[in-house]
Amino acid sequence: ETGVTQSPTHLIKTRGQQVTLRCSSQSGHNTVSWYQQALGQGPQFIFQYYREEENGRGNFPPRFSGLQFPNYSSELNVNALELDDSALYLCASSFFPSGSYNEQFFGPGTRLTVL
Amino acid sequence: QQQVKQSPQSLIVQKGGIPIINCAYENTAFDYFPWYQQFPGKGPALLIAIRPDVSEKKEGRFTISFNKSAKQFSLHIMDSQPGDSATYFCAASKGDSNYQLIWGAGTKLIIKP
Repeated sequence: ETGVTQSPTHLIKTRGQQVTLRCSSQSGHNTVSWYQQALGQGPQFIFQYYREEENGRGNFPPRFSGLQFPNYSSELNVNALELDDSALYLCASSFFPSGSYNEQFFGPGTRLTVL
Repeated sequence: QQQVKQSPQSLIVQKGGIPIINCAYENTAFDYFPWYQQFPGKGPALLIAIRPDVSEKKEGRFTISFNKSAKQFSLHIMDSQPGDSATYFCAASKGDSNYQLIWGAGTKLIIKP
């Protein structure tokens, strides 16, 4: 069974630039959620994708967008980067519907630094 | 009402001791309460989870205690080891969705040898 993988591991961008982060879900999973984790804080839910459509969104502006592909992998795109976007971006996959309710399995994250 | 409050922020325990981490929530619609363990540079890993129909759940050295009336739940680590040193997060989510885990702020646990 392959776990959740994310790329790249680290990324440095400047304000105003755009970034794309990638996630491959765990084998057998069909749902991907994205979280932002600022240093020393708990993750904050950005959005979730299920059946290639956004299935819920947290309190993040529209410049945060995403995609899910037929193989259930996913991308997170952030436009017009701001300094406060510097964080660890986590991808989590899960299977819905499931008897193991809402068990989300996380990747190692992408550390984004905005200068 | 969406918040999950976690305490303490940090905790130092001697090896073999029983660290206890507490969480409280407001939203009575929450019905799934997982605990995650995160090591530096890694993503969170699911440790143990509980639903409100039971008051306690044990998995190995990890125990969740759940008090529905007080809207509180806690993690106990029995016979703690230096390898348990990590940041622990509690979280909660609602039964009508498959998403949006609401997370506590985390507890940095250090187990001294």
